[in-house]
Amino acid sequence: IAGITQAPTSQILAAGRRMTLRCTQDMRHNAMYWYRQDLGLGLRLIHYSNTAGTTGKGEVPDGYSVSRANTDDFPLTLASAVPSQTSVYFCASRHTGGEQFFGPGTRLTVL
Amino acid sequence: QQQVKQSPQSLIVQKGGIPIINCAYENTAFDYFPWYQQFPGKGPALLIAIRPDVSEKKEGRFTISFNKSAKQFSLHIMDSQPGDSATYFCAARGNQFYFGTGTSLTVIP
Repeated sequence: IAGITQAPTSQILAAGRRMTLRCTQDMRHNAMYWYRQDLGLGLRLIHYSNTAGTTGKGEVPDGYSVSRANTDDFPLTLASAVPSQTSVYFCASRHTGGEQFFGPGTRLTVL
Repeated sequence: QQQVKQSPQSLIVQKGGIPIINCAYENTAFDYFPWYQQFPGKGPALLIAIRPDVSEKKEGRFTISFNKSAKQFSLHIMDSQPGDSATYFCAARGNQFYFGTGTSLTVIP
């Protein structure tokens, strides 16, 4: 592993289903982030974690939850998916004060 | 409310032209202003960044101009190439990163 990996690459999901998007980084960055990218809206922060064991809400947290049990992993869970959560999701990480690195993204479609 | 406003939404230039993408912000607490380049199907990647105590920064063909009093900054791409065709995002760092809405750049051969 080099950098940030995300899984799955893409997913089609029925509304009401539960879904977890996975993110793993091997750079030992303390901070991790989840963004969603929508056309015309840019990247919007969903949740973040400044260090293992802590999480915080970003700009658009409703309908999403996260956990940070260790430094490397930062899963994003949709408890009951809705069509408005159709988007491309990016995980990112950085050291405090350092550059932000992005994963390759997960394309999620909720029908 | 959009913390960082970016324009234009799309831009088409001929090879060798100098596309300019503009961003504006309101929060004077922002302390770092990066630009990201994103190719289709990929995540954004840091291109170049500037701090507010500097008015200009160049890295290769990419230049950021920063106007602190106007709270504006822009990306210039010199001698643009078809390989520069991508979406570009400006951002600003406060308690989190705030992104512009993106500019889709097409460089015609």
